[in-house]
This record gives sequence, C-alpha cells and structure tokens, in this order.
Amino acid sequence: EAAVTQSPRSKVAVTGGKVTLSCHQTNNHDYMYWYRQDTGHGLRLIHYSYVADSTEKGDIPDGYKASRPSQENFSLILELASLSQTAVYFCASSDIQNTLYFGAGTRLSVL
Amino acid sequence: SQWGEENLQALSIQEGEDVTMNCSYKTYTTVVHWYRQDSGRGPALIILIRSNEREKRSGRLRATLDTSSQSSSLSITAAQCEDTAVYFCATDADQGGRALIFGTGTTVSVSP
Repeated sequence: EAAVTQSPRSKVAVTGGKVTLSCHQTNNHDYMYWYRQDTGHGLRLIHYSYVADSTEKGDIPDGYKASRPSQENFSLILELASLSQTAVYFCASSDIQNTLYFGAGTRLSVL
Repeated sequence: SQWGEENLQALSIQEGEDVTMNCSYKTYTTVVHWYRQDSGRGPALIILIRSNEREKRSGRLRATLDTSSQSSSLSITAAQCEDTAVYFCATDADQGGRALIFGTGTTVSVSP
C-alpha cells in the first residue's frame, strides 16, 4: 500500500491558469518535499516542510507556492502556470535517517 | 551545482555483465544515497553509504565513498534485465540540513 500518494497523476493546464498538486502521506513523517524532474536535470527541490503550517524554499521556488495544512498533506500551487513548468513533479516524505519515500509523480503539461 | 561534470548519463550492457557508475560532489557530505527510478515511478532508495564507510554491499550492489576525492560509485554485479532503470546519487549537502540534492542520474539499460 502506497504510503505517499499524489493527485492527480497527470494534468493538462492552460498558460496563466492555477494548478494545485496534492500529496498525502501515511508514514507519520515530519518532513515532506516537492521535487521537479526534467530530462537532463535530475530532481530539483522546489519547497519542503518540516512541520504543519510552515514551508521552506528549496533550490527553485520561483513560480511555486507550497501549503502544509497538516502533517499528512502537502500541496504545491502554481498560481500562474507557464510553459516552462511542464515537468514531472514528485512529492516525498523522509524518515529519521533522511531516507526519502517518493510518490508516483504527477505529469504536468502546460499548454 | 552540487555535482561535478563527469557523471555518465547512459550505460548499455548485456545481462551478466558488471556495471559501475560514478558521482562526484563539490561540497562536504556525511552520506551518499543511491536511488533507483523505474519507468513511470518515483525513485526508491537502494543503498546508502556514510562518510565513515569506504564500501557498502547489498546483494549485487556495491557502493563506495571516497571523501578525499568527494566521489562515490555504485556497481551492479551480474546485471539482469530488471536492473534497467535510472540511478541517482544524492547527498545531504545542506538545504536546511535535511533535503537531499540529487545528481542528474545515469540511465542503465540491460539487454538479454
């Protein structure tokens, strides 16, 4: 049973529209992360959170907001989606040894 | 960038062969994680090596860490078709002390 679940699994959005990607974990982990994956760039950190109601910027936060309303839930928000935000987005939680547990990813296409 | 320039992007081998991929990193780290990503799925940890370990084995996997040269390697012995995947190294170089920084990954393709 998947411990980190992302929704939706895929999304087509229009340029300038608002997109919300959701993540839910049942690992009881404090830390959660949003990464973006593009071909040739590996995984790049967008935002992370170590406690509910608090989020931190990662390496590439511009154009993204994050929300952590509870320990289990972590959302990534694109207020004004742009073509350059077409990518696969992964949510993860981490345990006390800092092992990351990833969701299956959300494929976002911005047209 | 956290990573050096010599990370190999793709390797193609046949079943039964051994394969080694390398990562170099630019800033101090206490641990190197190796993740595997199968097509259409999220990455999953396969082996982790700490700065006080020079070598770590898990089944057919062998990881090494050389802190003096700031490099790590992952070897797969007697590769099988199911080893086909993208392999990432990642370090805990600081982003609030917890977030991992990933390399660009090596695509390994194993053919029968």
